[in-house]
Order: sequence, then structure tokens, then C-alpha cells
Amino acid sequence: ETGVTQTPRHLVMGMTNKKSLKCEQHLGHNAMYWYKQSAKKPLELMFVYSLEERVENNSVPSRFSPECPNSSHLFLHLHTLQPEDSALYLCASSLGGSGNTIYFGEGSWLTVV
Amino acid sequence: GENVEQHPSTLSVQEGDSAVIKCTYSDSASNYFPWYKQELGKRPQLIIDIRSNVGEKKDQRIAVTLNKTAKHFSLHITETQPEDSAVYFCAASKTFGNEKLTFGTGTRLTIIP
Repeated sequence: ETGVTQTPRHLVMGMTNKKSLKCEQHLGHNAMYWYKQSAKKPLELMFVYSLEERVENNSVPSRFSPECPNSSHLFLHLHTLQPEDSALYLCASSLGGSGNTIYFGEGSWLTVV
Repeated sequence: GENVEQHPSTLSVQEGDSAVIKCTYSDSASNYFPWYKQELGKRPQLIIDIRSNVGEKKDQRIAVTLNKTAKHFSLHITETQPEDSAVYFCAASKTFGNEKLTFGTGTRLTIIP
């Protein structure tokens, strides 16, 4: 299944760099998500966009900045990250509403050095 | 907010035996409980889900049970096969949208040939 595509798959960046993660979904969904997956921790919801409006921001530091220009694309802009931000960042999408299946992308492995 | 606990964190079973993974949740208003499977280096994928109006759901070798009174739900895999080796995540959410989906910490299941 390639309904949710993420680029890049791997990213190494310095703490002073600015980079962006990109996500694109081809499933006709109207909700998109960013999750953070770290070792031995639950999947952490970072941001939710529904119909291109941000509806959830789980106290994520401002060095992470999401952007959803349309219902098919989602970005995560990264600026002055810390080593502890190294993780797998998963994009996902779904039809909005009650209990619809969330489809994940393959993830972007981020290493902050 | 919702808190989902998942046990065990690791589980090894002989091929052909059954595996059971258990989750508890804290918010009695939660009524949607999906299970995701994540193979090494791959994206999490939904394998089965259950809503609070049923107590059990089965799909071939996989079944999920829900005890609303005790606020726990379990994943049962019978006749395990090597391809069942993966990390399994439970999750819980309320009726109104997946943005409130809270994940457990995951169970690494290893099937021993």
C-alpha cells in the first residue's frame, strides 16, 4: 500500500539547521496527522489537521511547525532541534469522524546531531 | 486525558501456540479500540478494531475482546506463524474523531520457529 508517502525517509540534521518533512496522501482523506515514535514510548500524537485546519496541537515545542496547504499534503518544518528530537516521524491520514481507520506512511527517520 | 497501558512489552511464543496481548484504558468514554501491527522498518497497519457495542470480534486467526466494565481489551492470535513477529500497538479513542486516538507502548512479539 502506498497511499501515504513520506519524504525524506532518512534525515540527519544539525541543531542549527532548518529542514522539512513532507507527507502526501492519495486516499481522498480529509484528516492528516503527525506522530512521533521514539524507542520504548507510545506513539505520540503531535498535530492533527482536519479539512486543512489544525484541530490538535499536543503541547509540541515551537521548533516543530506544521503546515497543511491542502487536504493531500502535510509538512513538518524543523528548526533548531535538539538531540532528543531524534525519532521516527510518522504521517498518517484518515477520513474525519468517528473511528475511521488511520493509514500511516512509512515514516521519516530523523537524527539530530 | 486518556491513558492506555499495554502488557507485556515483549512476548515470545512457539510457532503454532497462541499469543495474548492486553491493554487497559482509563477513560470510560472511550469506545473505539484499534490494534496496529508494525513490522520491522515498516509502517503501523491496522489489523483489527472493536467498538464498545460488541464484546468480541474475530478475523481468521486474530480476535479482540473488550470488557467495558473492567476497561480492558485484549488481542488474541492463534496458531501463530513466523510472519506474526512484529510490534503490536493497541489504541483507544472516543466517538468524535481519531484525533483523540491514544496508543499503548507496544508489545514486541517474537514467534520462535
